[in-house]
Amino acid sequence: SAVISQKPSRDICQRGTSLTIQCQVDSQVTMMFWYRQQPGQSLTLIATANQGSEATYESGFVIDKFPISRPNLTFSTLTVSNMSPEDSSIYLCSVVSVAELSYNEQFFGPGTRLTVL
Amino acid sequence: QKEVEQNSGPLSVPEGAIASLNCTYSDRGSQSFFWYRQYSGKSPELIMSIYSNGDKEDGRFTAQLNKASQYVSLLIRDSQPSDSATYLCAVFTGTASKLTFGTGTRLQVTL
Repeated sequence: SAVISQKPSRDICQRGTSLTIQCQVDSQVTMMFWYRQQPGQSLTLIATANQGSEATYESGFVIDKFPISRPNLTFSTLTVSNMSPEDSSIYLCSVVSVAELSYNEQFFGPGTRLTVL
Repeated sequence: QKEVEQNSGPLSVPEGAIASLNCTYSDRGSQSFFWYRQYSGKSPELIMSIYSNGDKEDGRFTAQLNKASQYVSLLIRDSQPSDSATYLCAVFTGTASKLTFGTGTRLQVTL
């Protein structure tokens, strides 16, 4: 499976600021996703990052709050804008590789642990 | 009704025993089913995928799928302390084109 890295691995931010999280894959992938995992909770899909076009957001998530870019098949960014303590969470990117497309297998990056004060 | 349901646990089993983890789902159109293992402070790791009714074995792990009952399970044989983790059931539905996760079952393997 693809090797996925995320930067930063963790950060502590002040209320009202923004943080951009990067997701880099070592091979071309078809699908990239961004998830949030709040403390003690399961994973919630934020959006599908579409290469060369606007991301597809899930209900409850909007582009102004979570702008996403995907300029190519190996890289995506998620920005958490105008942060509040409620945004404290682990943010994960996941990918579906070309080989696994028909199987819908998703593999996760190591995650970014965000704390908002 | 939640789309994917799991007992939160903790499920406690002694070392060497079989751990049985269960998951039900609500969408009959679901096509693909996955089990992820998540250690505390780590990201989810895919350990099993199953797509058709029946059993699928991989080492000490067996996934079981019953689409008629909308039920998927994971058996872990010869449980080890290193199996102690949260196990997430995930279901892919083509109509929604997304993976939906259960809340996870915390497994504790005791010595």
